[in-house]
Parts: sequence; C-alpha cells; structure tokens
Amino acid sequence: GENVEQHPSTLSVQEGDSAVIKCTYSDSASNYFPWYKQELGKGPQLIIDIRSNVGEKKDQRIAVTLNKTAKHFSLHITETQPEDSAVYFCAASSTGRRALTFGSGTRLQVQP
Amino acid sequence: EAQVTQNPRYLITVTGKKLTVTCSQNMNHEYMSWYRQDPGLGLRQIYYSMNVEVTDKGDVPEGYKVSRKEKRNFPLILESPSPNQTSLYFCASSLGGGVTEAFFGQGTRLTVV
Repeated sequence: GENVEQHPSTLSVQEGDSAVIKCTYSDSASNYFPWYKQELGKGPQLIIDIRSNVGEKKDQRIAVTLNKTAKHFSLHITETQPEDSAVYFCAASSTGRRALTFGSGTRLQVQP
Repeated sequence: EAQVTQNPRYLITVTGKKLTVTCSQNMNHEYMSWYRQDPGLGLRQIYYSMNVEVTDKGDVPEGYKVSRKEKRNFPLILESPSPNQTSLYFCASSLGGGVTEAFFGQGTRLTVV
C-alpha cells in the first residue's frame, strides 16, 4: 500500500518569511496529492491539491510542486502570517482508491 | 451551509462500555469515512462507506463497527472500548472517494479509562 512521509514535524518561522513542507510517497500509481490545514480544535480543511498531470499549482500565497520521478511533493507558503499557524498534512491517493493516505503532519508556528 | 457534524465533541468513558459517535453530512455525498488521529501518526482510516449499506475496512478497523442505513449518516460504534482507542476521531465525506476533496467534521476526542 501507499506510504507517505512528511518533514519536518515542526517548523517555526518569522512572520513574512517563507515556509516549505516536504512529502514523499511510495506508490507510483498515486495521482492525487492534497494538502490539508488543521487549526486548533477543528477538523482538517483542504487548502490546495495537485494532480499528477501538473507540476506546480499556485493559489495566492500558497503553492504546491510535484516531482513524479522522485515521488515527492512540497507545500510552499510565502509571506507567512500568524494565521498560517496550524498543523499541515499532506496526503496521496490514486484513482479507484477509497481513501487518502496521510503524512504524519507538520506543526507550523509563525512568530509575530 | 455544507458541513459534516459529529457528536459528541468530547467523551470520557470506561473500558467495556459500548458507545456510539454519530456523524451526519448534508452534501449528499456518497463516500464517508472515519479516521483516527494520533500524535506522530497522522490520520489513519478506520472504515469507509461508498453508499448506503456498503461499507469496508480501512487501515485500522479492529475494535470498531460502522453502519450506513441512510446516505447522510455514518455512525461509529465501539462495542467494548479499550484504553488504546483513546484518540481524536474524525468523520469525513467526499463526492468521489480518495481523489476528491474530503470534508471533515470537527472531531470527537475520546478518552477510555
């Protein structure tokens, strides 16, 4: 089955700096890679996703890149703000699978 | 408002006392899942359902049961809870299984003593 590894487990940045979270996956059949943000006391919420036919996707201050050959994908947050502080999860899945396989999560803290 | 609603939010129970965590979605989604979240392990799928009366095991199904008698509801049942089931539980729904956006409930923090 699929295995997703996520690094780092914690990340602290100064407000305005960039943050990068990296994930690797094992199943070459995976073709869907979402990122979820979990704020304190809430359920995870999708912030961006990318499919295997695309190498990069951006949405304002967040971007995701995918390298299918190396089987890794990354989340980039630019101009970080205190409200970006949360736990971020990467995940992977493929057509026909019933569920996502999640990474272990990254706790991002943005220092004002 | 589109949402997934879980109840209760917090639950403390004793070993062996049967409990049910309810989950309801108002988006007419066919797929629903239960996950547990433990520190350092991310979210792991317990059970999922592709439609009414169709359920299957996820990665960590031992000690849990589910049912899907109506499209909107997907309760999680712990017939004889044990302390290793102390965890944060999330229900999720999606339109098309693993390759579409999953909408999560607010979570249920369960403690089994």
